Amino acid sequence: GQNIDQPTEMTATEGAIVQINCTYQTSGFNGLFWYQQHAGEAPTFLSYNVLDGLEEKGRFSSFLSRSKGYSYLLLKELQMKDSASYLCAVRGGSYIPTFGRGTSLIVHP
Amino acid sequence: EAQVTQNPRYLITVTGKKLTVTCSQNMNHEYMSWYRQDPGLGLRQIYYSMNVEATDKGDVPEGYKVSRKEKRNFPLILESPSPNQTSLYFCASIKLSGGTDTQYFGPGTRLTVL
Repeated sequence: GQNIDQPTEMTATEGAIVQINCTYQTSGFNGLFWYQQHAGEAPTFLSYNVLDGLEEKGRFSSFLSRSKGYSYLLLKELQMKDSASYLCAVRGGSYIPTFGRGTSLIVHP
Repeated sequence: EAQVTQNPRYLITVTGKKLTVTCSQNMNHEYMSWYRQDPGLGLRQIYYSMNVEATDKGDVPEGYKVSRKEKRNFPLILESPSPNQTSLYFCASIKLSGGTDTQYFGPGTRLTVL
């Protein structure tokens, strides 16, 4: 089976930096996704990591350590519109992504 | 435009009345799946399909059926809906070619079973 953990809720200030962690235990590994989801809307793809290291995309970066079963999503220069849920999903040996319960990020002025 | 479409977007029905939620993708993706999302429980996979005529159960398959007769379509069937199937449903697809894989989600179907 697979187990994915991420914090339930985080708060941060506009303009700051926030790091959302995700730890996982899987049988096999074929990549880790991060998604952003606003309430009532579909998840939108942010990043995909399959090798160790940091992937940077504008204000968003994602890091993976396969040996530690650990990833984080880093959001810089936070904006109010970044208030959303952030979902970590892991593809195990079967290529099927399993989702964590998501982290609700609240950005305040 | 690459997309996953779902219909209907909203549905209110009654217990026991069979319904189908359609899902279609125009990206020639092999892999498709259905998820339900409930408060506090995150996205849970119902069924998935690795290709035409290849479907398998996810984590919460009870009360649902699927079919994959064509690559682009993956309908979700509730033969006898019950109130505990009230949820937000998402269809998704991925191209299984390795590299930078992206999972595309449909817009969601909000189902209420009375």
